[in-house]
Amino acid sequence: DAKTTQPNSMESNEEEPVHLPCNHSTISGTDYIHWYRQLPSQGPEYVIHGLTSNVNNRMASLAIAEDRKSSTLILHRATLRDAAVYYCIPVPTGNQFYFGTGTSLTVIP
Amino acid sequence: EPEVTQTPSHQVTQMGQEVILRCVPISNHLYFYWYRQILGQKVEFLVSFYNNEISEKSEIFDDQFSVERPDGSNFTLKIRSTKLEDSAMYFCASSGSFGTGELFFGEGSRLTVL
Repeated sequence: DAKTTQPNSMESNEEEPVHLPCNHSTISGTDYIHWYRQLPSQGPEYVIHGLTSNVNNRMASLAIAEDRKSSTLILHRATLRDAAVYYCIPVPTGNQFYFGTGTSLTVIP
Repeated sequence: EPEVTQTPSHQVTQMGQEVILRCVPISNHLYFYWYRQILGQKVEFLVSFYNNEISEKSEIFDDQFSVERPDGSNFTLKIRSTKLEDSAMYFCASSGSFGTGELFFGEGSRLTVL
């Protein structure tokens, strides 16, 4: 399984963009890059995923480096509700989702 | 919006007792998972299930644990002879595809072993 490196914690001011980085230098060519988040006292929640191209959805954008060794989750305008632990998970096709320790995002009002 | 539901939300049991945690995955999903999260720690994979059999399990998922899909809707996790260290949140998840799609998680069942 590809190893990931994420900052333990980050802070953002409310209504400002947040860029959450993830290094996954051992990722293989067919691994999808998934991002999940876990709000306090809740189960993990899907945010976004992609393979090679940048991806956008209603929650966030995912920017994937050309060599795929890193990716960045972009929250365009952080809200208080975005305070959570964010997990970057490389997922081989036909394999499991293994959660690391993630990045704890604090949003400052 | 479809969701994964889990029962009970909280169960307290005595050490040595058997516990069954129940999950109703999203109806057209085929892949099912159990994870656990000990308080303050990371989310740990326990087991995945497809086509009425275990497809992968972690080292945590030993003989004390078992999973079953007793009917077309429920997916259960049984923990035999519970230990203090089994106290955790247990999350069920389901997916319509394997590895490439989104995992949908339930709200979790909190197990407290006394």
